[in-house]
Amino acid sequence: EVQLVESGGGLVQPGGSLRLSCAASGFTFSSYSMNWVRQAPGKGLEWVSYISSSSSTIYYADSVKGRFTISRDNAKNSLYLQMNSLRDEDTAVYYCARVRVGANKYYFDYWGQGTLVTVSS
Amino acid sequence: QSALTQPRSVSGSPGQSVTISCTGTSSDVGGYNYVSWYQQHPGKAPKLMIYDVSKRPSGVPDRFSGSKSGNTASLTISGLQAEDEADYYCCSYAGSYAGVFGGGTKLTVL
Repeated sequence: EVQLVESGGGLVQPGGSLRLSCAASGFTFSSYSMNWVRQAPGKGLEWVSYISSSSSTIYYADSVKGRFTISRDNAKNSLYLQMNSLRDEDTAVYYCARVRVGANKYYFDYWGQGTLVTVSS
Repeated sequence: QSALTQPRSVSGSPGQSVTISCTGTSSDVGGYNYVSWYQQHPGKAPKLMIYDVSKRPSGVPDRFSGSKSGNTASLTISGLQAEDEADYYCCSYAGSYAGVFGGGTKLTVL
């Protein structure tokens, strides 16, 4: 059974930093691209970042570019999101999601349960 | 990219059909056949319901179907059931491995 478990969320002051983790199991993690998607309270979903299976290709939404860094450790079956210079508008539940991308496909087939990040003074 | 446009809410009675639209541009919905739909119950993670415009993952009832015409994609749920009440989000590939989501539609089963 595919499982994605996020951790690392919490309360942080504006301008602060936080590192999210996502532990993957039930599939060959090193063979799949991964993403972070967030959802502000009462709002819709927003794509945040993409990383390929080998970490060779990385993309960010404009809203987080230059402040967030996605990474992965295939030996530890883990995905990370380093978030710096946090702003109030970064407050959201952050989901890690496995993405199926390539020839004739692009969709998120498995999602974690999410971890809440609250940016507030 | 700007979010895709969905109606804020739709409703239907048990057994009826409802359709949720998702409008984008030629840079996302109209440019690729990579539209997916997600169901989200309150406090839960999104669940994939439709991918690549009209394909259903294993385990998703065939009451759920998807289509696309030009820059607008649609999700149709037939034979509405109480458990279908949830928020629904469309998503399209937008280039450079990025996805763009719709604002979400709240489905109420009357």
